[in-house]
Amino acid sequence: GENVEQHPSTLSVQEGDSAVIKCTYSDSASNYFPWYKQELGKGPQLIIDIRSNVGEKKDQRIAVTLNKTAKHFSLHITETQPEDSAVYFCAAPKREYGNKLVFGAGTILRVKS
Amino acid sequence: DAGVIQSPRHEVTEMGQEVTLRCKPISGHNSLFWYRQTMMRGLELLIYFNNNVPIDDSGMPEDRFSAKMPNASFSTLKIQPSEPRDSAVYFCASSWATGNAGELFFGEGSRLTVL
Repeated sequence: GENVEQHPSTLSVQEGDSAVIKCTYSDSASNYFPWYKQELGKGPQLIIDIRSNVGEKKDQRIAVTLNKTAKHFSLHITETQPEDSAVYFCAAPKREYGNKLVFGAGTILRVKS
Repeated sequence: DAGVIQSPRHEVTEMGQEVTLRCKPISGHNSLFWYRQTMMRGLELLIYFNNNVPIDDSGMPEDRFSAKMPNASFSTLKIQPSEPRDSAVYFCASSWATGNAGELFFGEGSRLTVL
């Protein structure tokens, strides 16, 4: 089955610095890779996603890169701000049963001001 | 649209009691998902429906858990009897896409505590 490994589990950065979170997956047929942000007391919310036909996607301060050969994808946040502090989850689909998403364990990001 | 609506937001109950969690998906979405979130196991998919039909319930922990979707605008997750290890935050999510090929819209969750 699909395993999604996410690192690091916690990340602390200074405001204005960049943050990078990496995920690896096992199913070479996976073709969709979303990143979710979860703030305290709320449900996860999609912030960016990438499909396997591209290697990078950017949306303002957030970018995701995909390396299909190595089976890993990364979230990059530049010019971090205190409101970026949250838990971030990567996910990848599992081929069986209609490609249901398997989530990584999450990364707690703290942006210190 | 108000987004995915879940109720109750918090529930505290005693072991052995029946628990019913409710979800109203976003109008027009044809897929609905129930997830459970704990510190130990992270986000786990329990069951998902497409066009009100259960497609995959392999994540449902055991027979004490059941889920229904009687129509496109309502779903329930029931635990009977509840146990302390069921304590978790339960999320409902909906999507316009079949399976998981598109964005999932999560509700704010139902925090369950079983004493």
